[in-house]
Amino acid sequence: GAGVSQTPSNKVTEKGKYVELRCDPISGHTALYWYRQSLGQGPEFLIYFQGTGAADDSGLPNDRFFAVRPEGSVSTLKIQRTERGDSAVYLCASSLSDRDETQYFGPGTRLLVL
Amino acid sequence: AQKITQTQPGMFVQEKEAVTLDCTYDTSDQSYGLFWYKQPSSGEMIFLIYQGSYDEQNATEGRYSLNFQKARKSANLVISASQLGDSAMYFCAMREDTLIFGQGTELSVKP
Repeated sequence: GAGVSQTPSNKVTEKGKYVELRCDPISGHTALYWYRQSLGQGPEFLIYFQGTGAADDSGLPNDRFFAVRPEGSVSTLKIQRTERGDSAVYLCASSLSDRDETQYFGPGTRLLVL
Repeated sequence: AQKITQTQPGMFVQEKEAVTLDCTYDTSDQSYGLFWYKQPSSGEMIFLIYQGSYDEQNATEGRYSLNFQKARKSANLVISASQLGDSAMYFCAMREDTLIFGQGTELSVKP
């Protein structure tokens, strides 16, 4: 079956612009996660969805970051007024039911803010 | 304080040899999970192996095994019979509520 997919694979934007990153989880997975991975670091947790609701958004760095999952499947991570420090790889993962299940990751979106 | 520590930024291993990647963790929880993921240059995080804190047996998955020493809070990954395709970044992670990753170890397999 298909794994987690993310689009776009690469995104270049200018400082101050708005960007949307999309994640399509494994079919049937109700839990979805977003992570950010800076160069040379491990991924850092941003937000966790259980179904349509954000069950834990404690990792979002500030209010410029927002994510939605309106129908409990595809999720969009939205970044307003992008800054150069937002440049990173944004990884999405999904798991079957909840945080106790193994997470499977997508290929990531490489965001570069100029 | 670091919750997951991987002390080896880079490792080299000869093809067909075994290699151990170190991971220590810090938690006061009794129930937790430990994971290893592989990240090739393409960027995708590939799940390799899982060890639950209550599991008495060390986890094994093909050529991967996890050397779990609970009292020492270590969860080292052993890769047997290394292959050229094993060259990648390897991340240890611990699940409390969220998944917390270490800094990674870059493994290079030499022919």
